[in-house]
Amino acid sequence: EIVMTQSPATLSVSPGERATLSCRASQTVSSNLAWYQQKPGQPPRLLIYGASTRATGIPTRFSGSGSGAEFTLTISNLQSDDFAVYYCQQYNNWPPLTFGGGTKVVIK
Amino acid sequence: VQLVESGGGLVQPGGSLRLSCAASGFTFSSYWMSWVRQAPGKGLEWVANIKQGGSEKSYVDSVKGRFTISRDNAKNSLYLDMNSLRAEDTAVYYCARVTAHIGTPGLFDTWGHGTLVTVSS
Repeated sequence: EIVMTQSPATLSVSPGERATLSCRASQTVSSNLAWYQQKPGQPPRLLIYGASTRATGIPTRFSGSGSGAEFTLTISNLQSDDFAVYYCQQYNNWPPLTFGGGTKVVIK
Repeated sequence: VQLVESGGGLVQPGGSLRLSCAASGFTFSSYWMSWVRQAPGKGLEWVANIKQGGSEKSYVDSVKGRFTISRDNAKNSLYLDMNSLRAEDTAVYYCARVTAHIGTPGLFDTWGHGTLVTVSS
């Protein structure tokens, strides 16, 4: 099983600043890595797939990078709507499909 | 594109429950489908997948032998039969459409709003 580890668990950021979230896989997942955003009481929403491709309708302030086992989600110019929990997920080698534990982005 | 789950509720340990997911707005029979769960205040956990025709299924180890995923393409519906339920199965269960990137399936591009399953005496 591929274990996904996200850091930090909580990230405190001021509106308008940049947030950098990390995701590490226990073995290579190539570029088969997705990022999701989840707000309270809502289902997750796909943001990024293929490590760096934005899903339909996702603003350009969201960007993904990395390959192999180290990945980053960057949110530029944070908006109030961006404060949420973010999960990474690998789909390179399954079952099982595995998610990271999440990073909660909170207002500083 | 819409996924609507139903069937959740309160069940005693050792009991059974069947979850359903009604799909609309897309060609259901063309997609892998999944169940993903989220325990209260916790992260996401993939539970099971089923291929387009239903011939191929996979499960997380913790539910193997207890849960069965199935689908009825004529009814655009996905199901999860849950038996021998345990307290640790308490979670919101999401139905999710699985899509592929460069031929590799396994990312979830559409989610339902979930149905809560509570296992407690």
